[in-house]
Amino acid sequence: SAVISQKPSRDICQRGTSLTIQCQVDSQVTMMFWYRQQPGQSLTLIATANQGSEATYESGFVIDKFPISRPNLTFSTLTVSNMSPEDSSIYLCSAKGQGAREQYFGPGTRLTVT
Amino acid sequence: DAKTTQPPSMDCAEGRAANLPCNHSTISGNEYVYWYRQIHSQGPQYIIHGLKNNETNEMASLIITEDRKSSTLILPHATLRDTAVYYCIVRVGFNDMRFGAGTRLTVKP
Repeated sequence: SAVISQKPSRDICQRGTSLTIQCQVDSQVTMMFWYRQQPGQSLTLIATANQGSEATYESGFVIDKFPISRPNLTFSTLTVSNMSPEDSSIYLCSAKGQGAREQYFGPGTRLTVT
Repeated sequence: DAKTTQPPSMDCAEGRAANLPCNHSTISGNEYVYWYRQIHSQGPQYIIHGLKNNETNEMASLIITEDRKSSTLILPHATLRDTAVYYCIVRVGFNDMRFGAGTRLTVKP
């Protein structure tokens, strides 16, 4: 299994600013993902973070708003840009090893935008 | 991917078996059934997955009907720490997980 850590664990940010969330996996993984969980809701996939190329975004999510980096096989960042109160959510990093069916999740970053 | 249907909530007495149903009547032959749970304020936790056969691990058992149109996750001796939202997901191959609304299981003393 993979152990995933995220920084920060929570933050309170002002409208119009940006926040970068870091995700670190304790082993090399093939695939990394970013999810959003709005208050009281289930998880929604934002994008797949691809190593060495641009992330693949789901419908409704765009690179300008949620730029993603993945410089190597164990690390990824998600930036929430030009934040508004509607961006207040938990953002979760997830990873999967090569040939593995299990997908593992980080503890999440709780973001509040005021 | 096949859609899944789960009851929104269930209760279970501590120490008893918790049986969580999932309907996936449109499942195709190469789709796996996965179960995850999310304890309050934590990231989702993988529990178990299966294709056709029943599966068991240290956390739970997964019973898949012969026609594969439904499945049941069994927690054999539920504890208060098993209180969580349980998600049944049907996916092909090694694709990412897509989450529905899940079942909120409350284990009561």
